[in-house]
Amino acid sequence: EDQVTQSPEALRLQEGESSSLNCSYTVSGLRGLFWYRQDPGKGPEFLFTLYSAGEEKEKERLKATLTKKESFLHITAPKPEDSATYLCAGQGAQKLVFGQGTRLTINP
Amino acid sequence: DGGITQSPKYLFRKEGQNVTLSCEQNLNHDAMYWYRQDPGQGLRLIYYSQIVNDFQKGDIAEGYSVSREKKESFPLTVTSAQKNPTAFYLCASSGSTDTQYFGPGTRLTVL
Repeated sequence: EDQVTQSPEALRLQEGESSSLNCSYTVSGLRGLFWYRQDPGKGPEFLFTLYSAGEEKEKERLKATLTKKESFLHITAPKPEDSATYLCAGQGAQKLVFGQGTRLTINP
Repeated sequence: DGGITQSPKYLFRKEGQNVTLSCEQNLNHDAMYWYRQDPGQGLRLIYYSQIVNDFQKGDIAEGYSVSREKKESFPLTVTSAQKNPTAFYLCASSGSTDTQYFGPGTRLTVL
């Protein structure tokens, strides 16, 4: 069965303190690995798609990377406005499989 | 502006009542999806439709029904058979790529 697991469940950082979120996946015939940002009470906002191992994508303070088993979302010098839940999802042959999310809090 | 709209934002259901959640998109996407989100769990797929007048069950379809009469619209009905419907419901759509774009969500509460 396809599965996506994110760690940690929650992460609290000080403003400017860089870190990484992990997404481990076992998805047969992976067609893409997706990252979304979700604010409380709102729908997920699309961030990145990664298609093959070794691929990297960046947007402002965020960089996503992909290996054959994991994806990382690196956050460099975060600001309080980066506080959100970050969702990872793997596209298999039939459907998109989501992890539980990592709740990120950036303290000023 | 192109996007996905969901209504209402909040919905309250009494025991034994059917309720319908609206989802509309003007992105000209062929595929549309309904997910349920519960605290501490990932999004779970309820139903999806890849083309008008056709839809398939997802992982948790029991107690739900859908229709796809127009490309732009994919309403979800939560029936009285759904025993634990309190959740956050998300509609999404995708076009020529696999990227799914989400609406703002509807929070359903059982009274």
